Amino acid sequence: DTEVTQTPKHLVMGMTNKKSLKCEQHMGHRAMYWYKQKAKKPPELMFVYSYEKLSINESVPSRFSPECPNSSLLNLHLHALQPEDSALYLCASSQDGYGTGETQYFGPGTRLLVL
Amino acid sequence: GEDVEQSLFLSVREGDSSVINCTYTDSSSTYLYWYKQEPGAGLQLLTYIFSNMDMKQDQRLTVLLNKKDKHLSLRIADTQTGDSAIYFCAESGANSGYALNFGKGTSLLVTP
Repeated sequence: DTEVTQTPKHLVMGMTNKKSLKCEQHMGHRAMYWYKQKAKKPPELMFVYSYEKLSINESVPSRFSPECPNSSLLNLHLHALQPEDSALYLCASSQDGYGTGETQYFGPGTRLLVL
Repeated sequence: GEDVEQSLFLSVREGDSSVINCTYTDSSSTYLYWYKQEPGAGLQLLTYIFSNMDMKQDQRLTVLLNKKDKHLSLRIADTQTGDSAIYFCAESGANSGYALNFGKGTSLLVTP
């Protein structure tokens, strides 16, 4: 089983809203990732959690706030987003901690539209 | 940063073989991946190859790696309309801290 689930599938929010994206995996993977993907572009890495600790923050604006409550869950809290933040947000996980080259398995993504 | 290059578009007839090519520059690349993305969906891992291998076959998929030329290819035999998607080549290696470095993706169109 290599399933990563993400909720919601679609989200529309205003620029003053606060919302959260959720990602879950039950494969015992120890690294979890958030990516942002714009249309017809490859995914861009945002954050990496390894063993529930934030390992990588790719200079993402503070209006995006990740959280890893436990080894199976990864959240992305959104506040005061801009229309240019509209994108597909992908979560991924890999078996061992970050930096080991383990294969990353992706979820189906949350399509976000900021009005 | 290191580059991963792919042609942007490929069109084949149903039943033919498709070959998607990828080149990369990172000499420390250890793992090379092919991901498939259908419209509106996430990335599906198709296959991967370690840099000490030169070929891997998995049903209709054949991956060839020429490490000397830093060239990776994905061959899909008997291509079906359901294979129409964007295919991303990605590499990871020590130089990038094993982060995934993606190409821009090849859009494969399979026509009946």
